[in-house]
Amino acid sequence: ETGVTQTPRHLVMGMTNKKSLKCEQHLGHNAMYWYKQSAKKPLELMFVYSLEERVENNSVPSRFSPECPNSSHLFLHLHTLQPEDSALYLCASSHSGQGWSEKLFFGSGTQLSVL
Amino acid sequence: RKEVEQDPGPFNVPEGATVAFNCTYSNSASQSFFWYRQDCRKEPKLLMSVYSSGNEDGRFTAQLNRASQYISLLIRDSKLSDSATYLCVVNGGSSNTGKLIFGQGTTLQVKP
Repeated sequence: ETGVTQTPRHLVMGMTNKKSLKCEQHLGHNAMYWYKQSAKKPLELMFVYSLEERVENNSVPSRFSPECPNSSHLFLHLHTLQPEDSALYLCASSHSGQGWSEKLFFGSGTQLSVL
Repeated sequence: RKEVEQDPGPFNVPEGATVAFNCTYSNSASQSFFWYRQDCRKEPKLLMSVYSSGNEDGRFTAQLNRASQYISLLIRDSKLSDSATYLCVVNGGSSNTGKLIFGQGTTLQVKP
């Protein structure tokens, strides 16, 4: 148990659906991340939030919409996804600010399948 | 050129063997380097940070060569439980921004 909890663990959705992925961290961190991991590809950074402000947006299509209401919670809202968006979506957290720690703690991920 | 490049393997070794993984990175301004471990269908977990002077943690030794932009991980006396994918991770620039670049990973399979 890493202290980062993601729900749901698995999600199957159609291209016209709207769904949300949830992440919660209990580590007292103030930075949270979304990563995408496709088969045979490296992890791709999608978004970084530090102190609830988005500090990194890695040219992610607008059909992915992040939300960080506080430093413990992070959401990824999904709408009109494409089959190529099927992947493992990983949330992570770390300390940020002065002496930003780049040691990430990951959740177990949401395995997303878009039909 | 990929930002972080690793040989995907798989590396198949017998128990007790010594195995080494290499990784190259393209951004000369990168300052922080890590090895993460990812078990099948699990999340990545930090294995160790990589320091300029090299560092050791039990059977694991990490080395950094800034001139060649090259990182290595050495595992001695391999155990069955070492079977996993090892991810080379580099920060994305000269200042801490939280942007980490992951390599594709090198898969290790330790056989009895």
